[in-house]
Amino acid sequence: QKEVEQNSGPLSVPEGAIASLNCTYSDRGSQSFFWYRQYSGKSPELIMFIYSNGDKEDGRFTAQLNKASQYVSLLIRDSQPSDSATYLCAVGSYFSGGYNKLIFGAGTRLAVHP
Amino acid sequence: NAGVTQTPKFQVLKTGQSMTLQCAQDMNHNSMYWYRQDPGMGLRLIYYSASEGTTDKGEVPNGYNVSRLNKREFSLRLESAAPSQTSVYFCASSDGGGGQLPSPLHFGNGTRLTVT
Repeated sequence: QKEVEQNSGPLSVPEGAIASLNCTYSDRGSQSFFWYRQYSGKSPELIMFIYSNGDKEDGRFTAQLNKASQYVSLLIRDSQPSDSATYLCAVGSYFSGGYNKLIFGAGTRLAVHP
Repeated sequence: NAGVTQTPKFQVLKTGQSMTLQCAQDMNHNSMYWYRQDPGMGLRLIYYSASEGTTDKGEVPNGYNVSRLNKREFSLRLESAAPSQTSVYFCASSDGGGGQLPSPLHFGNGTRLTVT
């Protein structure tokens, strides 16, 4: 079992719809959860992070965390063609001395069509 | 404010050649990381440096060495390149401290390395 699992996609949604991206993780001790967006040929760009169970909203993006189910999701409302990218889920743990251990999923490719 | 800067952006090596990938950050971050990204496998940690003066192996360290030159700079060296090291390499940094929760990583633009 991979430590962080994502459906590779592609997830195809029409413009204006809600895109739902999901991620499961295996380490129950994980403390923080990140969503990165990566355009083709570019570097990962942080979209959101969440530490506590529940929802966290930032503009059109909502991150949802359920630690009991070891599940984190990202909702993108009013999807735009510019949202077409690969979305990486990362799960983090903190170690003394300042080491952030982040494990990344392989990513879900999102395609928003007009 | 440049963030995390990596050089070079592209490199082609022949098997057995050596090279050093350079990385510098201007965000005064304590921790720095080197990842490689291969299709279908996500980002895998090669080495990290939790703070200046320390380095540790990550998930896939074989064939690589690193140097944390100072707080700003963290280099990755391939001593004898192999085709299996063809990949995209990303340097990242984080503030890595001050609390008990992991902070986000900030990535450089990447180096595309091809080993023939």
